[in-house]
Amino acid sequence: NAGVTQTPKFRVLKTGQSMTLLCAQDMNHEYMYWYRQDPGMGLRLIHYSVGEGTTAKGEVPDGYNVSRLKKQNFLLGLESAAPSQTSVYFCASSYSGRWGETQYFGPGTRLLVL
Amino acid sequence: AQTVTQSQPEMSVQEAETVTLSCTYDTSESDYYLFWYKQPPSRQMILVIRQEAYKQQNATENRFSVNFQKAAKSFSLKISDSQLGDAAMYFCAYRSAIRGNTPLVFGKGTRLSVIA
Repeated sequence: NAGVTQTPKFRVLKTGQSMTLLCAQDMNHEYMYWYRQDPGMGLRLIHYSVGEGTTAKGEVPDGYNVSRLKKQNFLLGLESAAPSQTSVYFCASSYSGRWGETQYFGPGTRLLVL
Repeated sequence: AQTVTQSQPEMSVQEAETVTLSCTYDTSESDYYLFWYKQPPSRQMILVIRQEAYKQQNATENRFSVNFQKAAKSFSLKISDSQLGDAAMYFCAYRSAIRGNTPLVFGKGTRLSVIA
């Protein structure tokens, strides 16, 4: 049981390049989330999904797109990377309903945009 | 919108001593969950303890306990017998239990140092 995994662990991009971050969970959770963590800002929600095929915007969605084609995977895309997107990205998942109060986090992806 | 405030950017504690991290939140809801997460240098977010707002009894997990004051909207974390492995960033978080599934709202964190 791997829990929540993220790929890659670290990536360097040039401004304007695109990339996709992959999140996978093996706990059969309905809900999945993408956060970014910046110094002094805590964690901020980018996008989230309440089920396969559905996504919703969080607090800071601009410049990102997401897809949830399979229940176990949640992809975060950067179409044209900017230095402001340099951050640590965390994926999380949880059950639905009242018992979904606990989110399980992946190990994070560190992204540097030059 | 709900907000979570951690007023102590940094704290330090001597090994084996007790430390309390503060967290306040703002909400108009009556049913919600509160959490403390630990983030060590590995960056993994680890759930330390959680509290359900409708339960008056304070949650405890081994050396970790909370002081939940619902009327004051305060949710502090007490770490007893501090260990070197407790050194980390600690985040307080809020989640509504009313409005379907809502994501966590995090505070900005408190960095805890443990002095040997």
